[in-house]
Amino acid sequence: AQSVTQPDIHITVSEGASLELRCNYSYGATPYLFWYVQSPGQGLQLLLKYFSGDTLVQGIKGFEAEFKRSQSSFNLRKPSVHWSDAAEYFCAVGARGGSYIPTFGRGTSLIVHP
Amino acid sequence: DVKVTQSSRYLVKRTGEKVFLECVQDMDHENMFWYRQDPGLGLRLIYFSYDVKMKEKGDIPEGYSVSREKKERFSLILESASTNQTSMYLCASSLRKTGNTEAFFGQGTRLTVV
Repeated sequence: AQSVTQPDIHITVSEGASLELRCNYSYGATPYLFWYVQSPGQGLQLLLKYFSGDTLVQGIKGFEAEFKRSQSSFNLRKPSVHWSDAAEYFCAVGARGGSYIPTFGRGTSLIVHP
Repeated sequence: DVKVTQSSRYLVKRTGEKVFLECVQDMDHENMFWYRQDPGLGLRLIYFSYDVKMKEKGDIPEGYSVSREKKERFSLILESASTNQTSMYLCASSLRKTGNTEAFFGQGTRLTVV
């Protein structure tokens, strides 16, 4: 069965600083990969996804993520964080040829200092 | 845009009450899911449904049941609410039974059982 690890429970950055949120997955083949964002009191919204092809994918709100097969990672990055980026971020995987139910990591809470 | 609507943002119920959480999606999605979200535990799948009248248990189904009488509506039922069911409940839907399918989430229902 696939699993997702987000090693950082909380990340604190200053506004304008760069950001990287880590995500590692465990799966026999290359899974489908997603990042979702949850603003306070809201549901989750898709930021970006990777299915195949170019390993650097662009998403909404200036986010990007890079798939690294050798490291089983799909880290989320943003070059300059805005205060409005403060939220909970979830990495998720979908299986190829198997269950269609996404598996979510436990989430990383991003705190942005002015 | 796909819209997933949960009937209540906030609910307060008494221990022992039967509680209904309603979820409606407007894009003819095949799959619907109920998750519960607790701090530090991420999203945990309670039940899911891949078709009308079809349901499958997720990771934590105890104390819950579900109903899907129409394709667009998926209800979560707490048979006898208990204080340990105080949580944020998230409904989601997805289009196809494949892993490369984005999940769309409702805004969540924060349930407090007193």
